[in-house]
Amino acid sequence: AQSVTQLDSQVPVFEEAPVELRCNYSSSVSVYLFWYVQYPNQGLQLLLKYLSGSTLVKGINGFEAEFNKSQTSFHLRKPSVHISDTAEYFCAVKTSGSARQLTFGSGTQLTVLP
Amino acid sequence: EAQVTQNPRYLITVTGKKLTVTCSQNMNHEYMSWYRQDPGLGLRQIYYSMNVEVTDKGDVPEGYKVSRKEKRNFPLILESPSPNQTSLYFCASSWGQGGQETQYFGPGTRLLVL
Repeated sequence: AQSVTQLDSQVPVFEEAPVELRCNYSSSVSVYLFWYVQYPNQGLQLLLKYLSGSTLVKGINGFEAEFNKSQTSFHLRKPSVHISDTAEYFCAVKTSGSARQLTFGSGTQLTVLP
Repeated sequence: EAQVTQNPRYLITVTGKKLTVTCSQNMNHEYMSWYRQDPGLGLRQIYYSMNVEVTDKGDVPEGYKVSRKEKRNFPLILESPSPNQTSLYFCASSWGQGGQETQYFGPGTRLLVL
């Protein structure tokens, strides 16, 4: 069975500063990796996903993530955050060939301060 | 507009009173899921469905039932709700089971069981 660990439950950062949200996963088979964002009182929206190929994945709103197989990590980064990036971010994993859908991490609340 | 809708969005009920949360998608997706979101635990899958009349348990199925009689609808049924089922519930759908399939989430249903 796969699992996902988001190492930080809360990340405060000042506007225009860079941010990294950390995600580690465990699985005995190959995986697909996702980052979702949840704005206040809304459902989840896909930010980006890694399926195969280049380990650097670019998503919406200027976010990117890097898949590191040796460290089983998929950290999310943005070089300069905005107030509007304040939201909860979820890392998720799906094992290839599985009918089960996503396994989510516990979430990281990103708060961007003026 | 492609979307997943859930009703009701907010519900307060009492222990033991049967309730149904509806979920409908207009994208002709085969796969649908129910998740519950609790603070510090992220999203956990309750049930999923691979197609009409095909459903299976997720990680936390106890106390819930589902049915998939039509492709577009996937209702979640709580036969005898208990306070530990107080949570935020999300329905999601996708084209297929492959990892490349993006899941689309509904806006959520906030349930309080007294």
